[in-house]
Amino acid sequence: GAGVSQSPRYKVAKRGQDVALRCDPISGHVSLFWYQQALGQGPEFLTYFQNEAQLDKSGLPSDRFFAERPEGSVSTLKIQRTQQEDSAVYLCASSAGGDRAGRSPLHFGNGTRLTVT
Amino acid sequence: AQTVTQSQPEMSVQEAETVTLSCTYDTSESDYYLFWYKQPPSRQMILVIRQEAYKQQNATENRFSVNFQKAAKSFSLKISDSQLGDAAMYFCAYRTEKLRGAQKLVFGQGTRLTINP
Repeated sequence: GAGVSQSPRYKVAKRGQDVALRCDPISGHVSLFWYQQALGQGPEFLTYFQNEAQLDKSGLPSDRFFAERPEGSVSTLKIQRTQQEDSAVYLCASSAGGDRAGRSPLHFGNGTRLTVT
Repeated sequence: AQTVTQSQPEMSVQEAETVTLSCTYDTSESDYYLFWYKQPPSRQMILVIRQEAYKQQNATENRFSVNFQKAAKSFSLKISDSQLGDAAMYFCAYRTEKLRGAQKLVFGQGTRLTINP
């Protein structure tokens, strides 16, 4: 497709369930980012991939959060044993550049809104 | 660590008028990028304008322009001839220029802009 695609658009999970959120970046994009956006707040960085390598996972809030990008394209963010504080919009973004990605514009998806009940 | 502050949670403006959104940031770096993103209800982050810190000239994109004051660490967005379609959340963001540095964006808390017809 022409843009970054995320699925599902909405996800409701009961506390304690595991969830998996998918991101399809723009074809050929090297860099991929995940952000978490709580209601009424700005997005906060979770993790960064350059191709299949996870170069920065400093923003993952706990070991219940895990992200992968095994073939350097599609990425999955998994949250185990969800808690109410995990309720947020999860945004994925990709860019064409690698190390100098600051010069390449970021393209964002529409996000997945996760609600944990 | 870098921080970005938007002190105006909400702003409103009459259609066709001009509005300025404020942003300040804190960093010890000399080379970086600053951005304004727009987030409509669709949740997709849309790049409005970007500024490289080494450039003294303020960036402009049609009706959007910035006032970049590097010494004051201020980066305000001016929207001229406001249109109904400009209504959205606006986020100011910072990104390092460091090679192999953290590629993540650091966002402010956002300003909700309402356009009154």
